[in-house]
Amino acid sequence: QKEVEQNSGPLSVPEGAIASLNCTYSDRGSQSFFWYRQYSGKSPELIMFIYSNGDKEDGRFTAQLNKASQYVSLLIRDSQPSDSATYLCAVNLRGYQKVTFGTGTKLQVIP
Amino acid sequence: SAVISQKPSRDICQRGTSLTIQCQVDSQVTMMFWYRQQPGQSLTLIATANQGSEATYESGFVIDKFPISRPNLTFSTLTVSNMSPEDSSIYLCSVTGEVADTQYFGPGTRLTVL
Repeated sequence: QKEVEQNSGPLSVPEGAIASLNCTYSDRGSQSFFWYRQYSGKSPELIMFIYSNGDKEDGRFTAQLNKASQYVSLLIRDSQPSDSATYLCAVNLRGYQKVTFGTGTKLQVIP
Repeated sequence: SAVISQKPSRDICQRGTSLTIQCQVDSQVTMMFWYRQQPGQSLTLIATANQGSEATYESGFVIDKFPISRPNLTFSTLTVSNMSPEDSSIYLCSVTGEVADTQYFGPGTRLTVL
């Protein structure tokens, strides 16, 4: 079982819609959860992090964490073509400094 | 967040040679990390570099192949030794952020081995 799993996509949404990106993780002791955005040919950019169960909102982005279900998601409201990128979920596993990345979900926002 | 630069941004190298990649940060950071991202793949951690101690390598990566230096709190190098085409990849350094466990990435070095 992969430590961090994401659907590779592509996930296509029309401009203005809500994009929902999902991630599951295997270690129940995981403590920190991150979403990175990576444009083609660029390095990953941290856009959200969440540590506690529930929702965390930042502008058009909402991160949702459910530790009981070992599930973290990212919602992007009012999706724009500029949101088209690969979104990487990352998890800090218990007892380690390192962060483990999922394989990413490619998002396409259609004008 | 810290400003991170990497040199070179890209290189094309011959099989059997070595390349040293530099990572420079504009502020002092405790931990620096080196990742590899192969085409179409996610990020794989190579090693963690702490100032004043040996780097900690992940499973599948060895010091002879990927020697790392960390001479101070703002600089690190990763050398890719005795390169083969399988080493063609993007190499990224990252540093810890002010908020616990966050990491910020440099722009990456795109390496092609012929």
